[in-house]
Amino acid sequence: DVKVTQSSRYLVKRTGEKVFLECVQDMDHENMFWYRQDPGLGLRLIYFSYDVKMKEKGDIPEGYSVSREKKERFSLILESASTNQTSMYLCASSGSKGRALKAFFGQGTRLTVV
Amino acid sequence: DQQVKQNSPSLSVQEGRISILNCDYTNSMFDYFLWYKKYPAEGPTFLISISSIKDKNEDGRFTVFLNKSAKHLSLHIVPSQPGDSAVYFCAAEETSGSRLTFGEGTQLTVNP
Repeated sequence: DVKVTQSSRYLVKRTGEKVFLECVQDMDHENMFWYRQDPGLGLRLIYFSYDVKMKEKGDIPEGYSVSREKKERFSLILESASTNQTSMYLCASSGSKGRALKAFFGQGTRLTVV
Repeated sequence: DQQVKQNSPSLSVQEGRISILNCDYTNSMFDYFLWYKKYPAEGPTFLISISSIKDKNEDGRFTVFLNKSAKHLSLHIVPSQPGDSAVYFCAAEETSGSRLTFGEGTQLTVNP
């Protein structure tokens, strides 16, 4: 089975802190994604990457950056955390070249910014 | 601009009956559609998918129907079980690929 692992289940950070969310997948997948889930808004794409050192902006990239130094690892960085970034963050990966298709998700990180 | 829309935030059905979850889309370039199921404090898990060249795909108790002319898809669960209680997300991908666009989700509650 594909395993997508996010480093933390729950995080509490202070406003203005730099926050790192880590994601690792073990299936040699090309594509990796970061989404956030908010009630009534569904899952919104923040950033994605289809290759090492490549990144593309999703629908809501403002306030975030990403890093993909190795194929299996995709990090989401909140440069200066704000309370409106309190959310559930979900990492996903998929193996189809150039297509998301059937993406596999991690267990999520519930981030609270106080 | 919400390209994938699930108009019902919640649905409640009795155990053993049929659950029908609906999804509408606006982007004609979508060619692949998926349903994901999500329990609280867990990531979404893939349930079933359908390509735009088909109008129906079945997997056990789950069937997805696609009506391209109406830009509408639905997920049927028969018979519904209490363990099916979860949030269901509809998702779609364009022909050009590389990303999934999700709907808002529908909370399904199956009552014993």
